[in-house]
Amino acid sequence: TQLLKQSPQFLSIQEGENLTVYCNSSSVFSSLQWYRQEPGEGPVLLVTVVTGGEVKKLKRLTFQFGDARKDSSLHITAAQPGDTGLYLCAGVNNDMRFGAGTRLTVKP
Amino acid sequence: DSGVTQTPKHLITATGQRVTLRCSPRSGDLSVYWYQQSLDQGLQFLIQYYNGEERAKGNILERFSAQQFPDLHSELNLSSLELGDSALYFCASSAVASANYGYTFGSGTRLTVV
Repeated sequence: TQLLKQSPQFLSIQEGENLTVYCNSSSVFSSLQWYRQEPGEGPVLLVTVVTGGEVKKLKRLTFQFGDARKDSSLHITAAQPGDTGLYLCAGVNNDMRFGAGTRLTVKP
Repeated sequence: DSGVTQTPKHLITATGQRVTLRCSPRSGDLSVYWYQQSLDQGLQFLIQYYNGEERAKGNILERFSAQQFPDLHSELNLSSLELGDSALYFCASSAVASANYGYTFGSGTRLTVV
């Protein structure tokens, strides 16, 4: 059983569309991180959110940490083929536990 | 190049055998973490070392063991291998013991047990 549930599992969209992926848990975390993983590579850290309600922007990506620090969302505006990859959220307390990920495909 | 080096990149071995995976952390990082990634289980935390000492343990089987050496490189030993051990094994490193600042991952070792 995954501590963190990510939805949707798979998402295939056209270039230029907007999308939101979700990361939910019944546990409270001291921080939550988002990573992107491409085939044959390790995950790469995108952002860390620490405060409940915090919103961080990274170019076309917007990350939000829930008020109760149990969930998070990632919104991508005007998706591009280069955004294709596996998006993983990870909750931190004494260690870091990952969700199963959302596999995003952006078609040109 | 993330700065975290894992060797070998690929490994094919038979059931019952023993293998050693190696990780060199990013320069200056004291913490090393090992993760197993399979299609059905996702990224599973195995174990963390900080400055040579075991810091946290996750879902690591008794057949698996790890250590961190004085030069901070780490090895993950997998023994009595089973078909189900086939997976990607990732090493990650961070400067501090806390996970709050994020990890830098290596490119992984793909283990295939036949």
